[in-house]
Amino acid sequence: GQNIDQPTEMTATEGAIVQINCTYQTSGFNGLFWYQQHAGEAPTFLSYNVLDGLEEKGRFSSFLSRSKGYSYLLLKELQMKDSASYLCAVDDYKLSFGAGTTVTVRA
Amino acid sequence: ETGVTQTPRHLVMGMTNKKSLKCEQHLGHNAMYWYKQSAKKPLELMFVYNFKEQTENNSVPSRFSPECPNSSHLFLHLHTLQPEDSALYLCASSQGRENTGELFFGEGSRLTVL
Repeated sequence: GQNIDQPTEMTATEGAIVQINCTYQTSGFNGLFWYQQHAGEAPTFLSYNVLDGLEEKGRFSSFLSRSKGYSYLLLKELQMKDSASYLCAVDDYKLSFGAGTTVTVRA
Repeated sequence: ETGVTQTPRHLVMGMTNKKSLKCEQHLGHNAMYWYKQSAKKPLELMFVYNFKEQTENNSVPSRFSPECPNSSHLFLHLHTLQPEDSALYLCASSQGRENTGELFFGEGSRLTVL
């Protein structure tokens, strides 16, 4: 089966940096996704990693280490609108999700 | 607007009712999915259709019955549900399989079973 772990909640201050870790144990691996979900809205795609290393996209970066079964999502220069749930998902020919990390940004 | 539309957005039903959830995608994708999202739990994959063929049934109880008449439409028929089936039901689509690829989600149908 699939086992994808991420912290339940994180709180940070506006302008700060937050790192959301995700560890996974899956029978196969075809890439790792991060999605953002605001309350009452659809999850939306943030990033995709299939090779080891860092992918940077504006204020958001995602890192992958396949040998360690580990990824993180880095959110820089936090804004109030970044308050949302962040979902880690592993592609094992079907997408399996973690339970999500709720990030609260305080003024 | 993600290109995936779900109706109804909210549904309240009794345990003996029969209702259906509808999903439509305008992205030209070939794969469609039903996920269940309960509070504090991971998204649970329920069904996958690729090119209208069901390729995944994740041990879902028979009181949930999917239907995919074409690549753009997906239904979830509900019958004799239990209160623990109350959840957000998300539809998603993707290009289709070799890889799952990026999923495009609808905003979900919030189901409450009384």
